[in-house]
Amino acid sequence: DGGITQSPKYLFRKEGQNVTLSCEQNLNHDAMYWYRQDPGQGLRLIYYSQIVNDFQKGDIAEGYSVSREKKESFPLTVTSAQKNPTAFYLCASSPRARTNEKLFFGSGTQLSVL
Amino acid sequence: DQQVKQNSPSLSVQEGRISILNCDYTNSMFDYFLWYKKYPAEGPTFLISISSIKDKNEDGRFTVFLNKSAKHLSLHIVPSQPGDSAVYFCAASGGSDMRFGAGTRLTVKP
Repeated sequence: DGGITQSPKYLFRKEGQNVTLSCEQNLNHDAMYWYRQDPGQGLRLIYYSQIVNDFQKGDIAEGYSVSREKKESFPLTVTSAQKNPTAFYLCASSPRARTNEKLFFGSGTQLSVL
Repeated sequence: DQQVKQNSPSLSVQEGRISILNCDYTNSMFDYFLWYKKYPAEGPTFLISISSIKDKNEDGRFTVFLNKSAKHLSLHIVPSQPGDSAVYFCAASGGSDMRFGAGTRLTVKP
């Protein structure tokens, strides 16, 4: 059953703490993305990766970091430099990067600050 | 800057009637448009798309209309069913860029 798995579903962060959101896909897609959703706003791109060992900043990359060591995995770290991390985070993938193709999304992670 | 706007945060319709969800964009470089549907606690799923070379695309109860001169697209759902109740996101794509609207919450009442 192919798809994208995000974990955890809910995550709480303390002040000054780094937290990592997991994203795994078994669709054999080259491209993976991280989006952030805030109430009343569209999805905003944080980072994307077109291929293993390569990733690019999106519109709101400050305070976030990613890695792409394996094709299936694209974890997102929310660092202490991200001052307003509370949001719903969505991971997505597509067969190729940034072309006119639909994205496949995971079910999301809600991050809150304690 | 919001390059894709969905000006109606919510819409309520009666079962069996038509639902019309609207989306406006500002960037004339966008040439491919998509609608995604999102249920609570799930990620968005692709619903229907349209290329800028067309002005209409139909898939069952769902039809998307594109008016390039007005930079406007709309999603029609006929007839609406209670299971259509969800948040609908409009997205616009061009070259290496894809932008999303804020979403419209559709409620279909039995």
